Amino acid sequence: KAGVTQTPRYLIKTRGQQVTLSCSPISGHRSVSWYQQTPGQGLQFLFEYFSETQRNKGNFPGRFSGRQFSNSRSEMNVSTLELGDSALYLCASSFGRGEKLFFGSGTQLSVL
Amino acid sequence: AQRVTQPEKLLSVFKGAPVELKCNYSYSGSPELFWYVQYSRQRLQLLLRHISRESIKGFTADLNKGETSFHLKKPFAQEEDSAMYYCALMNSGGYQKVTFGTGTKLQVIP
Repeated sequence: KAGVTQTPRYLIKTRGQQVTLSCSPISGHRSVSWYQQTPGQGLQFLFEYFSETQRNKGNFPGRFSGRQFSNSRSEMNVSTLELGDSALYLCASSFGRGEKLFFGSGTQLSVL
Repeated sequence: AQRVTQPEKLLSVFKGAPVELKCNYSYSGSPELFWYVQYSRQRLQLLLRHISRESIKGFTADLNKGETSFHLKKPFAQEEDSAMYYCALMNSGGYQKVTFGTGTKLQVIP
């Protein structure tokens, strides 16, 4: 079984731009969640999708949004990038509620 | 609000010494607790979960509801245990939200 795939692996953007990150979950997994990882804050929950519906959202501004498609693939969008958005963005998938999370390798976003 | 605290950023122990990685949580309901581990250049992966009550790679963790703790323990540390360890809490409500601690780096000295 292929693992969770995140693309691209690295991204460099400038302030004010927008970015879209992609996540393909493990086949059969319907839940996809996103996390922001920084050295200072650790892993912070962004949001979780299940069957194309956002079920939960963390404490991030509205510039952070996401969606999930019918094949469970998910995208995360950040608009009007700020320097503080520089981080590793991790996607995780699971079969369902309460099941363990399988993480992707992440997308390293650098905002200049 | 759910919260996970890992008080130690770095824990250094000698090979063969006991290990205890501390985790305390704050949650009003019945939490589901996990330990995730990230070895160098590898993905974050599940180590163990409290409902399984299992031992993985010699590690165990007991949920203490009175002390709201879920400490990770191993009697004899091995060099291959060196990694970043994250304690995580999943809400017991209908919608899945996982809150992670800030992580503890375990360094096992040969």
